[in-house]
Amino acid sequence: EAGVTQFPSHSVIEKGQTVTLRCDPISGHDNLYWYRRVMGKEIKFLLHFVKESKQDESGMPNNRFLAERTGGTYSTLKVQPAELEDSGVYFCASKPGQGTSSNQPQHFGDGTRLSIL
Amino acid sequence: DAKTTQPNSMESNEEEPVHLPCNHSTISGTDYIHWYRQLPSQGPEYVIHGLTSNVNNRMASLAIAEDRKSSTLILHRATLRDAAVYYCILRDGYGGATNKLIFGTGTLLAVQP
Repeated sequence: EAGVTQFPSHSVIEKGQTVTLRCDPISGHDNLYWYRRVMGKEIKFLLHFVKESKQDESGMPNNRFLAERTGGTYSTLKVQPAELEDSGVYFCASKPGQGTSSNQPQHFGDGTRLSIL
Repeated sequence: DAKTTQPNSMESNEEEPVHLPCNHSTISGTDYIHWYRQLPSQGPEYVIHGLTSNVNNRMASLAIAEDRKSSTLILHRATLRDAAVYYCILRDGYGGATNKLIFGTGTLLAVQP
């Protein structure tokens, strides 16, 4: 079974530019999560999809971040325009099950390291 | 989700057992105790979880105190590959909007050859 894959693994862009991160969850996983770790901080939750619907986007830092999951398969996270404080590692995770009260573990990708210059 | 407290770092020798403690004095009756770890340059990886009884799997064992206010992750024979940051996380097993994971600072485990 293929794991969660994220693309690109690294991205270096200038402040003000746009970047789009992609996450391919494990096939059949309805739940998809985005997290990030910015410099020196803990890993923080950004948002959660159940299939194509946003279940919880309480962790999204501001309206420069837009996440989509059209068709309920892969997801994209766009940052526009990127700011210096957006630098960090962005992780995606997926979990099976349609319900939101499952105790099944989340499976993480290796992340996208984003550097804003 | 309730807060957990872990030591910032621990050291172990290869081939020896490692006991990683976690305090969660405000745990509620429906909170499950989850452990994840993060190896260098990788995403977090699930290790084990439990509610009340001790749990074993191929990676580790989880010992849960009778009052559930603390738990210990046990690696029976540490290897160099076990060097990672270990996170103890409480998850509400019932309801909840997202079952999102709330990461603390974790314990950085160093394994010496």
